[in-house]
Amino acid sequence: GAVVSQHPSWVICKSGTSVKIECRSLDFQATTMFWYRQFPKKSLMLMATSNEGSKATYEQGVEKDKFLINHASLTLSTLTVTSAHPEDSSFYICSASQTANTEAFFGQGTRLTVV
Amino acid sequence: AQSVTQLGSHVSVSEGALVLLRCNYSSSVPPYLFWYVQYPNQGLQLLLKYTTGATLVKGINGFEAEFKKSETSFHLTKPSAHMSDAAEYFCAVSAEVLTGGGNKLTFGTGTQLKVEL
Repeated sequence: GAVVSQHPSWVICKSGTSVKIECRSLDFQATTMFWYRQFPKKSLMLMATSNEGSKATYEQGVEKDKFLINHASLTLSTLTVTSAHPEDSSFYICSASQTANTEAFFGQGTRLTVV
Repeated sequence: AQSVTQLGSHVSVSEGALVLLRCNYSSSVPPYLFWYVQYPNQGLQLLLKYTTGATLVKGINGFEAEFKKSETSFHLTKPSAHMSDAAEYFCAVSAEVLTGGGNKLTFGTGTQLKVEL
């Protein structure tokens, strides 16, 4: 149990286009989902906290207009990178938890390359 | 605010040798502590976690970690390394337990474990 799936696993897009990444909890309902960004050979940096039915809470320095997060249902959160640029290329990972203070389970990540 | 320091970005051990990955944390409140493993181009897999209770925590794949409050440490150990243990390991802390954010994690910079024959 407790499976979190991200789609796609990897994506290549052209500069200026937008790309959407999905994070699904397959066998539980997730009231909270987190989006992280991982730079090459670096740690995971929390981008935002997404709560079902409400606006996401972004960490300092993360552009909310660039990284649009939607958590429309208890099993799905999406991250849309708008007007992507090569510097947005990174590994994006989501995690989902059933409630606050319960364990967060991680997706397998999405490798985004902007050319 | 909480923080995590992982000493040694790269650790190399021989197969069968002891694995020791170091993690120190900073938190103003009792923390939750975690160790995750990441294989290339994959997400994170939880190895073990400390919340409350027994300070020696056993996890999957023969790993264990001990919470030492006096040393603010949560080092990860495994008695005998296996080739399949080669991966990136992340220590993480959550100090938002009291505000309901126990699953909001701050990660260390990671330690790449290499296992040699």
